[in-house]
Amino acid sequence: AQSVTQLDSHVSVSEGTPVLLRCNYSSSYSPSLFWYVQHPNKGLQLLLKYTSAATLVKGINGFEAEFKKSETSFHLTKPSAHMSDAAEYFCVVSDRNRGSTLGRLYFGRGTQLTVWP
Amino acid sequence: NAGVTQTPKFQVLKTGQSMTLQCAQDMNHNSMYWYRQDPGMGLRLIYYSASEGTTDKGEVPNGYNVSRLNKREFSLRLESAAPSQTSVYFCATTRFSGTGGETQYFGPGTRLLVL
Repeated sequence: AQSVTQLDSHVSVSEGTPVLLRCNYSSSYSPSLFWYVQHPNKGLQLLLKYTSAATLVKGINGFEAEFKKSETSFHLTKPSAHMSDAAEYFCVVSDRNRGSTLGRLYFGRGTQLTVWP
Repeated sequence: NAGVTQTPKFQVLKTGQSMTLQCAQDMNHNSMYWYRQDPGMGLRLIYYSASEGTTDKGEVPNGYNVSRLNKREFSLRLESAAPSQTSVYFCATTRFSGTGGETQYFGPGTRLLVL
């Protein structure tokens, strides 16, 4: 079975300081993993995804995440936070088995990122 | 090319009323999904459809029904709305690439309030 645990429900940082949002996953297969961002009253935007290529994945807006199989982690980082990064972030795992054309998503409960000026 | 569209954007219902949320995609994808989003819960899968003519229950199907009318459209029906169904509903579809990757496309969401 697939599941995702986001270890922090809220993270607060000062503008210009690093961001770390933590995510652990459980998956029966070699997983596909994603990070999505949602700004208030907006839809979901894909930040980045891991699908068994390079373990360090670069996404949009300076975010990146590292897939660590031994730790079953997929933490999201950014070297320097910006005010516009304030939003809710979701770590997501897909249950798609290779060769299947069905991929259900399992979402973490979200991490609310606050950026102080 | 509109991607994934949902109607309506907002809806207020009284307990016991029924309604249908509509979703359509113009990307020719086989699989479609309905999720609900509640504060502190992330998104949870209600129903999904692997292809035209097939539907299956997800994590939280109780109180809902779905119809995969054709390849483009996947509707979600609340037969007798309850306050616990107050939520934001997202429709999604998935594109699978030849290298084994996948990309999901989400609709803009429908905000439902049940009084």
